[in-house]
Parts: sequence; structure tokens; C-alpha cells
Amino acid sequence: GAVVSQHPSRVICKSGTSVKIECRSLDFQATTMFWYRQFPKQSLMLMATSNEGSKATYEQGVEKDKFLINHASLTLSTLTVTSAHPEDSSFYICSARRRDRGVNIQYFGAGTRLSVL
Amino acid sequence: GQQVMQIPQYQHVQEGEDFTTYCNSSTTLSNIQWYKQRPGGHPVFLIQLVKSGEVKKQKRLTFQFGEAKKNSSLHITATQTTDVGTYFCAGPKGGGSNYKLTFGKGTLLTVNP
Repeated sequence: GAVVSQHPSRVICKSGTSVKIECRSLDFQATTMFWYRQFPKQSLMLMATSNEGSKATYEQGVEKDKFLINHASLTLSTLTVTSAHPEDSSFYICSARRRDRGVNIQYFGAGTRLSVL
Repeated sequence: GQQVMQIPQYQHVQEGEDFTTYCNSSTTLSNIQWYKQRPGGHPVFLIQLVKSGEVKKQKRLTFQFGEAKKNSSLHITATQTTDVGTYFCAGPKGGGSNYKLTFGKGTLLTVNP
């Protein structure tokens, strides 16, 4: 159990276009999901926390108008990279929090490789 | 702000050798979690430590939480090729009920068969 699906796995787009990434918890409900950015051979940088039914909270330095997050249901959060530019090229990965035997565990999606030309 | 540091950044071992990665936080942690990310894969939860001085084992993996709850270690005995991947420690980020995590930079383990 505790499967998180992320789609698409890879996207290539032109500069100036918007890209939507979906994160779904397939077999559990998640009131909280997280969006990370991971640079090659580096750690996971938390971008924002997505809360079902309320506005996302963004980490310092992350532009909320650039990275739009919607968590419309208990199983789906979306990240839209608006007006993407080459510097937005990165690996974006989501996670969904689930409490298992008293432990808050983050279950990660497979990630989305974004390449902006 | 809170920082979680991990060393070493890379570790290459011969199969059968032991491996240890160390994690240090700039602040006291209520708990610490460890995740493993295989090459090309996504992070997978391994364990959570909560108590000061706690030691937990999972087969060949031994996890420790320091007495001051500011450091932790993961030790793998007799590494196997299946142990290859990046091991991350993560501590709670700030307060609140969202259970956000601050991840260390990770230690990439490669194993020579």
C-alpha cells in the first residue's frame, strides 16, 4: 500500500509555456502533500506544502505565482510551473504524508523531469 | 535557519565492507527519519528514531540517534550491491502540524561487486 503516482514522468516544453504536474495518492487519502525540487546529485529542496482545501504554504524564496499549487481533493495535488524558463528545468518530486503506526511518513512519487528549451 | 548536514557526500566500498553515514542537525530534533533513494528512483522511508540514544536495527542496517538528539548515524554491515543508492536523513522542519522535513544532502553509496 501507500502508492503515490506522479505524472508526467518527463516533459519537454518551450520557454514561456506552462506545465502541470499531477501527484496522486492511489490507495490512501492525504490531507498534506509536499512538492520538492531535486538538483542532480543533490538533496530534496522543499518548495511548498500542499494542504487539501486550503492555500499552499511556500518556502522562502519560492515564487507562489510561478509555482501554482492546487490540492482540490484528498488524493490529488497539482503543481503548475507557469511561464517556464530554462532555469526551471529540474527534477520535481511530490510526496504525500500518511500516518502509519504513529509515524508520519512521506511517500514519494516517481518524480517529473522538466526540460525547458 | 535549521540545517541538516550529512557526511560523507560519497562513499565507494567493496562488497562485504561496512558503511556508515553521519547526520548532524544545527538544532535539537524531536525525531529523525532516514530515506533511501535508489539510482533513478524515488526516496523510500526506512525508519524513524525518536528517543535520545535510540538504536534500531533492520537486518544489516543499524540506526542510531544521539543522546543530544542532534545527530544520527546509519551503519550498514557487510554491504551488498542492493545497498547502492543515496541515503538521506531528515528532521522536522519548523513547528506546526504539517510535518515538513528538512533533508540532508544525502550520502551516495556505491558498491563494487
